[in-house]
Amino acid sequence: DSGVTQTPKHLITATGQRVTLRCSPRSGDLSVYWYQQSLDQGLQFLIQYYNGEERAKGNILERFSAQQFPDLHSELNLSSLELGDSALYFCASSVVSRADTQYFGPGTRLTVL
Amino acid sequence: QKEVEQDPGPLSVPEGAIVSLNCTYSNSAFQYFMWYRQYSRKGPELLMYTYSSGNKEDGRFTAQVDKSSKYISLFIRDSQPSDSATYLCATMTQGGSEKLVFGKGTKLTVNP
Repeated sequence: DSGVTQTPKHLITATGQRVTLRCSPRSGDLSVYWYQQSLDQGLQFLIQYYNGEERAKGNILERFSAQQFPDLHSELNLSSLELGDSALYFCASSVVSRADTQYFGPGTRLTVL
Repeated sequence: QKEVEQDPGPLSVPEGAIVSLNCTYSNSAFQYFMWYRQYSRKGPELLMYTYSSGNKEDGRFTAQVDKSSKYISLFIRDSQPSDSATYLCATMTQGGSEKLVFGKGTKLTVNP
């Protein structure tokens, strides 16, 4: 158990809908990262927050947004969902803003029908 | 060309075999190299971490980086059925925008 928690474990929704994925980092970690994992693209970095501020952005679509709250938990919002958004979404955390030592959560499996 | 290329396999070996997993990368600015292990339906976990070129050993696992050829390797000695997982290589530049770039992963099965 990495100490990173993600909810929900599974999410099934329809095209055009909006969902929110939640992540709680390990105790003491200030940085949160979001990733999308699909069979064809592999593990893709989406966005990083450090102590409430956006620190780095990857291949995140405009329909997706994230934030980190004062208690350091983070939410990833996915809107206007498309079939191609079906994937595993992972959250990871690290103590500082460096990406080299990240601890991953168990993931949320999103299915868009 | 993708920044990190990794043969997806699958790779199937008998218990006790030596396993070699490899990645190539294109960006010479990459300085940090990691191997993550991902069991089915779980998140990736950091297995090995190497800075710049050279070898690093941890028990049955050896990570090797050859920056001249932009080649990353992970060797598993005396492989066990519990090593069956997907192995992902990852790299990162030093300074600037520090994000991890992952290979697609190689699925390994160790047969008892």
